[in-house]
Amino acid sequence: GQNIDQPTEMTATEGAIVQINCTYQTSGFNGLFWYQQHAGEAPTFLSYNVLDGLEEKGRFSSFLSRSKGYSYLLLKELQMKDSASYLCAVRDSNYQLIWGAGTKLIIKP
Amino acid sequence: IAGITQAPTSQILAAGRRMTLRCTQDMRHNAMYWYRQDLGLGLRLIHYSNTAGTTGKGEVPDGYSVSRANTDDFPLTLASAVPSQTSVYFCASSDGAGGPDTQYFGPGTRLTVL
Repeated sequence: GQNIDQPTEMTATEGAIVQINCTYQTSGFNGLFWYQQHAGEAPTFLSYNVLDGLEEKGRFSSFLSRSKGYSYLLLKELQMKDSASYLCAVRDSNYQLIWGAGTKLIIKP
Repeated sequence: IAGITQAPTSQILAAGRRMTLRCTQDMRHNAMYWYRQDLGLGLRLIHYSNTAGTTGKGEVPDGYSVSRANTDDFPLTLASAVPSQTSVYFCASSDGAGGPDTQYFGPGTRLTVL
């Protein structure tokens, strides 16, 4: 079967750095996405990786290793507004997105 | 309208009733999707449409139907609602072209079936 694994919850301190991991086992691979979802709101797009390596976008970076079935989202200079759930999704061989359950990130002052 | 809109925002429905969730996008995207989101689970695809006039089944299609008469609208119908369909429903769209084909989400409909 297809599976996306992420930690259920993480806690970090304002101003610090946090890394959210995602491992996947899917039938085929056509890209990996990270989305941010604040409580009660819709998911919003953060990043996309299709080749191995690091993609940097401001305070957020995303890394992919296809051989290891592994990605991480790195958030720097954490702000209180970064408190949200972070969703990892993989596009499979049918070009459908398979979603992880999300990681709830709690930021403490 | 800017982006994707969904209606209603929330609804409480008696079991056995018929309900249509509405979704409209103004981005001229070819592809549209319906997901449900339940606590502790990832988003699960119900139905999708790659272009107007075509639809396909996702991971959890039973009890739901869709239509895609034009590019902008993609309604989801529950023919006879059951309590297990209590969930938050998100509509999404993407341009359906190559590359990332990023999906953009509507604000969601919170549905409770009693």
